[in-house]
Amino acid sequence: DAGVIQSPRHEVTEMGQEVTLRCKPISGHDYLFWYRQTMMRGLELLIYFNNNVPIDDSGMPEDRFSAKMPNASFSTLKIQPSEPRDSAVYFCASSSSEGPYSNQPQHFGDGTRLSIL
Amino acid sequence: KNQVEQSPQSLIILEGKNCTLQCNYTVSPFSNLRWYKQDTGRGPVSLTIMTFSENTKSNGRYTATLDADTKQSSLHITASQLSDSASYICVVTSNYQLIWGAGTKLIIKP
Repeated sequence: DAGVIQSPRHEVTEMGQEVTLRCKPISGHDYLFWYRQTMMRGLELLIYFNNNVPIDDSGMPEDRFSAKMPNASFSTLKIQPSEPRDSAVYFCASSSSEGPYSNQPQHFGDGTRLSIL
Repeated sequence: KNQVEQSPQSLIILEGKNCTLQCNYTVSPFSNLRWYKQDTGRGPVSLTIMTFSENTKSNGRYTATLDADTKQSSLHITASQLSDSASYICVVTSNYQLIWGAGTKLIIKP
């Protein structure tokens, strides 16, 4: 079975540029999550979707961040304009229809390592 | 404030030895506790999920314990292998929140 697929694996861009991160969840999973991981703050939940609808975006740091899920098999996280402090590893995860707080695990992709110069 | 604290921050042991990682939490109400393994450059992978009523859960050489009274959990690794080198993260679910610990970095030396 294919796991959660993220692209690109690495992204290096200059400050001010638009960055788009992509995620394909596991087929059949109804929940999709975007996380950010840094050495200082560990893993932080940015936003999650249920059946393509954003449920909780309270972790999105500011208006420069936006996320969409146009269909059940694709989601994007966009940063515009990007800043050096956005440098981090961004993970996408998905879980089954029982939800993020149930006894079902979240399945993570291998992340996108983003560097903003 | 809901918090999850893990200890030690890092640990180095020899291949074949056992080790135990700790997770203490001040989270209420409690729903479940999860242990994840994260290899360098990879996403976290679920090892165990334990509910309030579960004291012990095993996944191969990994055994997690939970004491809901003292709000402590441990992850015991038996007969460590080089592939066990990773960060191990404890996550507690409470009130529609997932509270992530900072992780323990484990290095297994040959």
